[in-house]
Amino acid sequence: QVQLVESGGGVVQPGESLRLSCVASGFTLRRNGMHWVRQAPGKGLEWVAFIRYDGSNEYYADSVKGRFTISRDISKNTLYLQMNSLRIEDTAVYYCAKDRGGIAAAGHFDSWGQGTLVTVSS
Amino acid sequence: DIQMTQSPSTLSASVGDRVTMTCRASQNIITWLAWYQQKPGKAPKLLIYKASSLESGVPSRFSGSGSGTEFTLTISSLQPDDFATYYCQQYNGYLYTFGQGTKLEIK
Repeated sequence: QVQLVESGGGVVQPGESLRLSCVASGFTLRRNGMHWVRQAPGKGLEWVAFIRYDGSNEYYADSVKGRFTISRDISKNTLYLQMNSLRIEDTAVYYCAKDRGGIAAAGHFDSWGQGTLVTVSS
Repeated sequence: DIQMTQSPSTLSASVGDRVTMTCRASQNIITWLAWYQQKPGKAPKLLIYKASSLESGVPSRFSGSGSGTEFTLTISSLQPDDFATYYCQQYNGYLYTFGQGTKLEIK
């Protein structure tokens, strides 16, 4: 069955960088768009980024545009989120999520990982 | 950006009750709306997509309706497992936004 496992979270200082990984199993990233969604402690959900099934386009929330980069390695069936210039307000649990539409981007998420916590603190 | 507003923020109900919660979009999103359930410490779970389509494996007591800017999620007969926080999410275009959530509590 579909499984998503995130890793790479941790504690960093403002201005530092971090790369999150999400290993997918039970399906191939080659035929599925993927998203990152985050949730600050005690707060609601915020969509962060999306990469199309073929890697041809990436989309970002305004809050992370220019600082975060979504990418994937098909050979490893792994999704990444490179986070640079981290800010205190980036503190959150980061989830990777599978787009329900496959190669046709649906924009909603039918499978989620367990999340990885990123804490930005001085 | 499209803003999503959910009401109420908190809803108190009892097992067996029929409950309805609302999600309003700041502009017309046709039926590009999904609903998720989230329990503490867990990832969200997709319940409804395209405003009224039930995701596979989701109990039929959950239903969604609406179009344009106003949407509702209804649970026909609350079960103990349904007490959670519910989020709506719009996907009209490539900038996706969630509502702030409705927390469903036991009365």
